[in-house]
Amino acid sequence: QKEVEQNSGPLSVPEGAIASLNCTYSDRGSQSFFWYRQYSGKSPELIMFIYSNGDKEDGRFTAQLNKASQYVSLLIRDSQPSDSATYLCAVRGSSNTGKLIFGQGTTLQVKP
Amino acid sequence: EAGVTQSPTHLIKTRGQQATLRCSPISGHTSVYWYQQALGLGLQFLLWYDEGEERNRGNFPPRFSGRQFPNYSSELNVNALELEDSALYLCASSLLIGPGGRDEAFFGQGTRLTVV
Repeated sequence: QKEVEQNSGPLSVPEGAIASLNCTYSDRGSQSFFWYRQYSGKSPELIMFIYSNGDKEDGRFTAQLNKASQYVSLLIRDSQPSDSATYLCAVRGSSNTGKLIFGQGTTLQVKP
Repeated sequence: EAGVTQSPTHLIKTRGQQATLRCSPISGHTSVYWYQQALGLGLQFLLWYDEGEERNRGNFPPRFSGRQFPNYSSELNVNALELEDSALYLCASSLLIGPGGRDEAFFGQGTRLTVV
């Protein structure tokens, strides 16, 4: 079982729609959860972080965390063509390991 | 405030040579992470340093090594380069545990290593 799993996609949504990206993780002791956006040939850019169960909203982005289900998601409202990128889920393991592990990423395509 | 800086941005080496990649973290950050991203693939965890100590390493052969200096900058060394080592090498820095328990990691622009 991979430590952090994402559907590789591509996920295709029309402009203005809601894009929903999902991630599961295996280390039940994980404490910190992150979403990064990576454009082709560029380095990842942090767009959201969440530490507690529930929802966290920042502009058009909402991160959702359910530690009992070991599940974290990212919603992008009013998707724009500029949102087309690969979205990486990252999880920091429990304190005795602490390493920051990334999923393989989900490619999002927003069609005008 | 300066972000994470990596050097060089591009590096071309021949098979069997050694490569040295450098990373300067965000001021105040004590943790440095190294990742390898081969073309079209995900980020593979290489090494994690904090306060000058290697805290964890990924599933890579021993010819991948590194160190963290007293100023928290870090170096990644790859010995006996192989063609499949060609990739984007990314460095990220964070606080181990920051105010409010926050520990977000920020990336540098990467070093693209090409082995010919």
